[in-house]
Amino acid sequence: AQSVAQPEDQVNVAEGNPLTVKCTYSVSGNPYLFWYVQYPNRGLQFLLKYITGDNLVKGSYGFEAEFNKSQTSFHLKKPSALVSDSALYFCAVRFNSGGYQKVTFGTGTKLQVIP
Amino acid sequence: DTGVSQDPRHKITKRGQNVTFRCDPISEHNRLYWYRQTLGQGPEFLTYFQNEAQLEKSRLLSDRFSAERPKGSFSTLEIQRTEQGDSAMYLCASSPGLAGATGELFFGEGSRLTVL
Repeated sequence: AQSVAQPEDQVNVAEGNPLTVKCTYSVSGNPYLFWYVQYPNRGLQFLLKYITGDNLVKGSYGFEAEFNKSQTSFHLKKPSALVSDSALYFCAVRFNSGGYQKVTFGTGTKLQVIP
Repeated sequence: DTGVSQDPRHKITKRGQNVTFRCDPISEHNRLYWYRQTLGQGPEFLTYFQNEAQLEKSRLLSDRFSAERPKGSFSTLEIQRTEQGDSAMYLCASSPGLAGATGELFFGEGSRLTVL
């Protein structure tokens, strides 16, 4: 089955420190991978995506993610965390199912940036 | 702002009542998705429209749930005979068709349902 896994329910990091939020995927064929962020009582906002090309993709708000095919991972990173980065982060994968494109989300990781 | 809009944002209802949610996608987007999100979980796929055609439905979508997109613009999601287990955030998202597809979904703010 096509899926993504986020092994950490919560990540705590001090403001100014680098942060990593982990994601691994299981997809047949070439994956289309995404990261979304969700603030309390809000919808999801797109951060970045990997379709093809460079393994390091850059996105909104200074976030980046590294695609690693051998480890089937797509970890989200930021060099210096801000308190305002505290939110829920979702990894997602897009794949073809019965000729249609479906998007499946991970269970989410709560990022807490400590001042 | 011409993003995805959902109405109502919050709905409290008694068990057994019917509820309807509306989603207005970004105007040039021909794909529309409904997801359900419960506390501590990621969004779960419910159904997907391309224009007015409902192309796929999840097994999560019991016969009490029905979704429509009659003119290929706005969509409604109706839940009949609500149960407490239906309490969740219902998220709508849209995306461009193949010609303009870049992969990401554009989400609305969601409609939170509480069934008492």
